[in-house]
Amino acid sequence: DAKTTQPPSMDCAEGRAANLPCNHSTISGNEYVYWYRQIHSQGPQYIIHGLKNNETNEMASLIITEDRKSSTLILPHATLRDTAVYYCIVRVALKTSYDKVIFGPGTSLSVIP
Amino acid sequence: GAVVSQHPSRVICKSGTSVKIECRSLDFQATTMFWYRQFPKQSLMLMATSNEGSKATYEQGVEKDKFLINHASLTLSTLTVTSAHPEDSSFYICSANSYSGNTIYFGEGSWLTVV
Repeated sequence: DAKTTQPPSMDCAEGRAANLPCNHSTISGNEYVYWYRQIHSQGPQYIIHGLKNNETNEMASLIITEDRKSSTLILPHATLRDTAVYYCIVRVALKTSYDKVIFGPGTSLSVIP
Repeated sequence: GAVVSQHPSRVICKSGTSVKIECRSLDFQATTMFWYRQFPKQSLMLMATSNEGSKATYEQGVEKDKFLINHASLTLSTLTVTSAHPEDSSFYICSANSYSGNTIYFGEGSWLTVV
Protein backbone atom coordinates (compact mmCIF):
# COMPACT_ATOMS: atom_id res chain seq x y z
CA ASP A 1 0.00 0.00 0.00
CA ALA A 2 1.13 3.55 -0.73
CA LYS A 3 2.68 5.53 2.09
CA THR A 4 0.98 8.67 3.34
CA THR A 5 2.29 11.76 5.08
CA GLN A 6 0.23 14.02 7.34
CA PRO A 7 1.08 16.96 9.58
CA PRO A 8 1.47 15.73 13.16
CA SER A 9 -0.94 18.25 14.64
CA MET A 10 -3.41 21.01 13.78
CA ASP A 11 -5.67 23.42 15.60
CA CYS A 12 -9.06 24.59 14.47
CA ALA A 13 -11.50 27.08 15.98
CA GLU A 14 -14.87 25.68 16.95
CA GLY A 15 -17.46 26.28 14.25
CA ARG A 16 -14.88 26.78 11.53
CA ALA A 17 -13.98 24.32 8.83
CA ALA A 18 -11.13 21.95 9.59
CA ASN A 19 -9.04 21.06 6.55
CA LEU A 20 -6.75 18.10 7.08
CA PRO A 21 -4.21 17.43 4.32
CA CYS A 22 -2.68 14.13 3.29
CA ASN A 23 0.05 13.46 0.75
CA HIS A 24 0.13 10.14 -1.06
CA SER A 25 2.39 10.79 -4.02
CA THR A 26 3.02 7.09 -4.73
CA ILE A 27 -0.63 6.11 -4.90
CA SER A 28 -1.52 3.52 -7.54
CA GLY A 29 -4.47 3.70 -9.89
CA ASN A 30 -6.47 1.07 -8.03
CA GLU A 31 -5.87 2.45 -4.54
CA TYR A 32 -8.51 4.26 -2.54
CA VAL A 33 -8.01 7.04 0.00
CA TYR A 34 -9.62 6.27 3.37
CA TRP A 35 -9.99 8.50 6.39
CA TYR A 36 -10.49 7.30 9.93
CA ARG A 37 -10.39 9.10 13.22
CA GLN A 38 -9.69 7.95 16.74
CA ILE A 39 -11.09 9.75 19.70
CA HIS A 40 -9.16 9.16 22.88
CA SER A 41 -9.52 5.64 24.30
CA GLN A 42 -11.80 4.44 21.51
CA GLY A 43 -11.39 2.31 18.43
CA PRO A 44 -10.92 4.07 15.06
CA GLN A 45 -14.07 5.36 13.42
CA TYR A 46 -14.60 5.29 9.66
CA ILE A 47 -15.20 8.74 8.14
CA ILE A 48 -15.10 8.58 4.36
CA HIS A 49 -13.26 7.12 1.40
CA GLY A 50 -12.86 7.83 -2.30
CA LEU A 51 -11.03 6.81 -5.45
CA LYS A 52 -10.73 9.93 -7.61
CA ASN A 53 -13.96 11.87 -7.37
CA ASN A 54 -14.72 14.17 -4.48
CA GLU A 55 -16.95 12.58 -1.89
CA THR A 56 -19.29 13.95 0.75
CA ASN A 57 -21.27 12.33 3.53
CA GLU A 58 -22.90 13.44 6.74
CA MET A 59 -19.58 13.64 8.52
CA ALA A 60 -17.16 15.18 6.08
CA SER A 61 -16.04 15.92 2.55
CA LEU A 62 -13.06 14.40 0.79
CA ILE A 63 -11.29 16.37 -1.90
CA ILE A 64 -8.81 14.41 -4.03
CA THR A 65 -6.53 16.29 -6.40
CA GLU A 66 -6.72 15.49 -10.08
CA ASP A 67 -3.36 13.73 -10.05
CA ARG A 68 -4.49 11.85 -6.91
CA LYS A 69 -1.22 12.58 -5.16
CA SER A 70 -2.87 14.38 -2.28
CA SER A 71 -6.22 14.81 -0.62
CA THR A 72 -7.94 16.95 1.98
CA LEU A 73 -10.49 15.91 4.54
CA ILE A 74 -12.89 18.73 5.36
CA LEU A 75 -14.98 18.88 8.52
CA PRO A 76 -17.29 21.77 7.58
CA HIS A 77 -18.18 23.00 11.07
CA ALA A 78 -15.79 21.59 13.62
CA THR A 79 -17.05 20.96 17.13
CA LEU A 80 -15.18 20.10 20.29
CA ARG A 81 -16.20 16.46 19.78
CA ASP A 82 -14.16 16.41 16.57
CA THR A 83 -10.95 16.60 18.59
CA ALA A 84 -9.22 13.36 17.66
CA VAL A 85 -6.36 11.80 15.75
CA TYR A 86 -7.17 11.58 12.05
CA TYR A 87 -5.62 8.88 9.91
CA CYS A 88 -5.29 8.98 6.13
CA ILE A 89 -4.84 5.52 4.67
CA VAL A 90 -4.31 4.47 1.09
CA ARG A 91 -5.07 0.93 0.08
CA VAL A 92 -6.49 -1.19 -2.67
CA ALA A 93 -10.16 -2.07 -2.70
CA LEU A 94 -11.15 -5.10 -0.68
CA LYS A 95 -10.41 -7.80 -3.22
CA THR A 96 -9.83 -10.22 -0.40
CA SER A 97 -10.84 -10.12 3.21
CA TYR A 98 -7.24 -10.35 4.38
CA ASP A 99 -6.17 -6.95 3.06
CA LYS A 100 -4.61 -5.49 6.17
CA VAL A 101 -4.35 -1.84 7.13
CA ILE A 102 -1.17 -0.23 8.39
CA PHE A 103 -1.53 3.03 10.30
CA GLY A 104 0.80 5.99 10.16
CA PRO A 105 1.05 8.51 13.01
CA GLY A 106 -1.93 10.57 11.78
CA THR A 107 -2.83 14.19 12.53
CA SER A 108 -3.89 15.20 16.01
CA LEU A 109 -6.66 17.75 15.55
CA SER A 110 -7.51 20.01 18.45
CA VAL A 111 -10.73 21.98 18.15
CA ILE A 112 -10.47 25.09 20.28
CA PRO A 113 -13.47 26.86 21.84
CA GLY B 1 -24.31 -0.86 9.45
CA ALA B 2 -21.57 -3.34 10.19
CA VAL B 3 -20.38 -3.41 13.78
CA VAL B 4 -17.42 -5.00 15.45
CA SER B 5 -17.62 -5.51 19.19
CA GLN B 6 -14.93 -6.28 21.72
CA HIS B 7 -15.15 -7.67 25.21
CA PRO B 8 -14.09 -6.85 27.83
CA SER B 9 -13.59 -3.13 27.41
CA ARG B 10 -11.31 -3.04 30.43
CA VAL B 11 -9.52 -5.80 32.28
CA ILE B 12 -6.99 -5.93 35.08
CA CYS B 13 -5.00 -9.09 35.63
CA LYS B 14 -2.15 -10.19 37.81
CA SER B 15 1.31 -10.64 36.41
CA GLY B 16 1.85 -14.20 35.23
CA THR B 17 -1.78 -14.93 34.47
CA SER B 18 -3.49 -15.13 31.08
CA VAL B 19 -6.31 -12.97 29.80
CA LYS B 20 -8.61 -13.42 26.82
CA ILE B 21 -10.12 -10.66 24.68
CA GLU B 22 -12.99 -11.39 22.31
CA CYS B 23 -13.75 -9.72 19.01
CA ARG B 24 -17.10 -10.27 17.31
CA SER B 25 -18.53 -9.13 14.00
CA LEU B 26 -22.16 -8.51 14.83
CA ASP B 27 -23.96 -8.40 11.49
CA PHE B 28 -21.52 -9.74 8.96
CA GLN B 29 -19.23 -12.69 8.56
CA ALA B 30 -15.54 -12.02 8.78
CA THR B 31 -13.19 -14.69 7.51
CA THR B 32 -10.34 -12.44 8.56
CA MET B 33 -9.93 -10.20 11.56
CA PHE B 34 -6.97 -8.11 12.63
CA TRP B 35 -5.47 -7.38 16.03
CA TYR B 36 -3.69 -4.17 16.91
CA ARG B 37 -2.12 -2.81 20.04
CA GLN B 38 -1.65 0.82 20.89
CA PHE B 39 0.53 2.41 23.54
CA PRO B 40 -0.28 5.90 24.88
CA LYS B 41 0.31 8.70 22.38
CA GLN B 42 1.30 6.23 19.67
CA SER B 43 -0.41 4.96 16.55
CA LEU B 44 -1.98 1.55 16.16
CA MET B 45 0.47 -1.25 15.54
CA LEU B 46 -0.72 -4.31 13.67
CA MET B 47 0.05 -7.47 15.63
CA ALA B 48 -1.51 -10.27 13.64
CA THR B 49 -4.06 -11.36 11.08
CA SER B 50 -6.61 -13.84 12.37
CA ASN B 51 -7.84 -16.33 9.76
CA GLU B 52 -10.97 -18.40 10.31
CA GLY B 53 -10.15 -22.08 10.43
CA SER B 54 -6.41 -21.67 10.08
CA LYS B 55 -3.39 -20.32 11.90
CA ALA B 56 -2.96 -16.64 12.50
CA THR B 57 -0.30 -14.67 10.66
CA TYR B 58 1.88 -12.60 12.97
CA GLU B 59 3.75 -9.42 12.15
CA GLN B 60 7.48 -9.33 12.59
CA GLY B 61 8.52 -9.02 16.21
CA VAL B 62 5.22 -10.25 17.68
CA GLU B 63 5.57 -13.40 19.78
CA LYS B 64 3.01 -15.93 18.59
CA ASP B 65 3.34 -18.05 21.73
CA LYS B 66 2.61 -15.07 23.93
CA PHE B 67 -0.30 -13.67 21.94
CA LEU B 68 -2.48 -16.65 21.07
CA ILE B 69 -5.13 -16.01 18.44
CA ASN B 70 -8.07 -18.27 17.77
CA HIS B 71 -10.64 -17.68 15.03
CA ALA B 72 -13.03 -20.56 15.45
CA SER B 73 -16.05 -19.08 13.70
CA LEU B 74 -16.89 -16.52 11.06
CA THR B 75 -17.95 -14.00 13.69
CA LEU B 76 -15.52 -14.51 16.55
CA SER B 77 -11.80 -14.11 17.05
CA THR B 78 -10.05 -14.21 20.41
CA LEU B 79 -6.70 -12.88 21.55
CA THR B 80 -5.17 -14.48 24.63
CA VAL B 81 -2.26 -12.74 26.29
CA THR B 82 -0.41 -15.53 28.07
CA SER B 83 1.79 -15.09 31.13
CA ALA B 84 1.04 -11.41 31.11
CA HIS B 85 3.59 -8.90 32.34
CA PRO B 86 3.20 -5.19 33.13
CA GLU B 87 4.80 -4.28 29.79
CA ASP B 88 1.87 -6.01 28.07
CA SER B 89 -0.43 -3.34 29.48
CA SER B 90 -1.87 -1.62 26.44
CA PHE B 91 -4.96 -0.83 24.39
CA TYR B 92 -5.86 -3.77 22.14
CA ILE B 93 -8.10 -3.22 19.12
CA CYS B 94 -9.55 -5.62 16.60
CA SER B 95 -10.94 -4.97 13.15
CA ALA B 96 -12.68 -6.82 10.36
CA ASN B 97 -13.25 -6.15 6.68
CA SER B 98 -16.74 -5.81 5.31
CA TYR B 99 -17.19 -6.49 1.63
CA SER B 100 -20.55 -4.79 1.42
CA GLY B 101 -19.21 -1.40 2.36
CA ASN B 102 -15.68 -1.79 1.01
CA THR B 103 -14.32 -0.68 4.32
CA ILE B 104 -12.89 -1.85 7.60
CA TYR B 105 -14.64 -1.66 10.93
CA PHE B 106 -12.94 -1.48 14.28
CA GLY B 107 -13.95 -2.64 17.70
CA GLU B 108 -14.20 -0.29 20.64
CA GLY B 109 -10.90 -1.51 22.02
CA SER B 110 -9.90 -3.29 25.22
CA TRP B 111 -7.72 -1.77 27.90
CA LEU B 112 -5.45 -4.32 29.54
CA THR B 113 -3.66 -3.48 32.76
CA VAL B 114 -1.26 -6.02 34.21
CA VAL B 115 -0.41 -5.48 37.85
